[in-house]
Amino acid sequence: QSALTQPPSASGSLGQSVTISCTGTSSDVGTYNHVSWYQQHPGKAPKVMIYEVSERPSGVPDRFSGSKSGNTASLIVSGLQAEDEADYYCSAYAGNGFWVFGGGTKVTVL
Amino acid sequence: QLHLQESGPGLLKPSETLSLTCSVSGDSITHTDSYWTWIRQPPGQGLEYFGYIFHDGSASYNPSLRSRVTISVDTSKNQFSLRLRSVTAADTAVYYCARHFGSYHTFDSWGQGTLVTVSS
Repeated sequence: QSALTQPPSASGSLGQSVTISCTGTSSDVGTYNHVSWYQQHPGKAPKVMIYEVSERPSGVPDRFSGSKSGNTASLIVSGLQAEDEADYYCSAYAGNGFWVFGGGTKVTVL
Repeated sequence: QLHLQESGPGLLKPSETLSLTCSVSGDSITHTDSYWTWIRQPPGQGLEYFGYIFHDGSASYNPSLRSRVTISVDTSKNQFSLRLRSVTAADTAVYYCARHFGSYHTFDSWGQGTLVTVSS
């Protein structure tokens, strides 16, 4: 069982938006802003899309955004594109050099 | 551009020791803001963090795996390694090495991953 809770699936139509939640505890998501989101296509390594809750690495489209409230972080993908269909994982710092991941959410573009 | 590449046996028997090496190119493993990590993904499942090592040899491990795991670094070869003792079928997974970039608190570079299967 993963330390962070994500919905197993989410979907949206082309051009629409989808929001994925990532629920932790007061020891990880609730305490630290070190929350990241990763995109993983089949057979590929994860790629960071959001770090520090809402920061985008260079090259990531601004359709991807992140937020946090209490023990729950969220990834919002706006203007869904076909290439956004993938698995998405959140990670959070849990203190003492320990990082935890979510179980992943499969995003389907309808 | 930073590149990481895992290498090691793809098939092990139960009770054996898993040994993987990650070769780093495009930057020095002694970069002051880089922490070198191992993460695995069982088939069809999520990601699990093993721990990290810094270039000076200091390390931190996932408490649930600490008793079986050792991560080491060889700065002369720009490599770091994972050893996981007493493997079982539950250790079957794709193993990734990745860099944790301290300034951004994120895993910003990943290897392509290597599948390790534990089977008798």
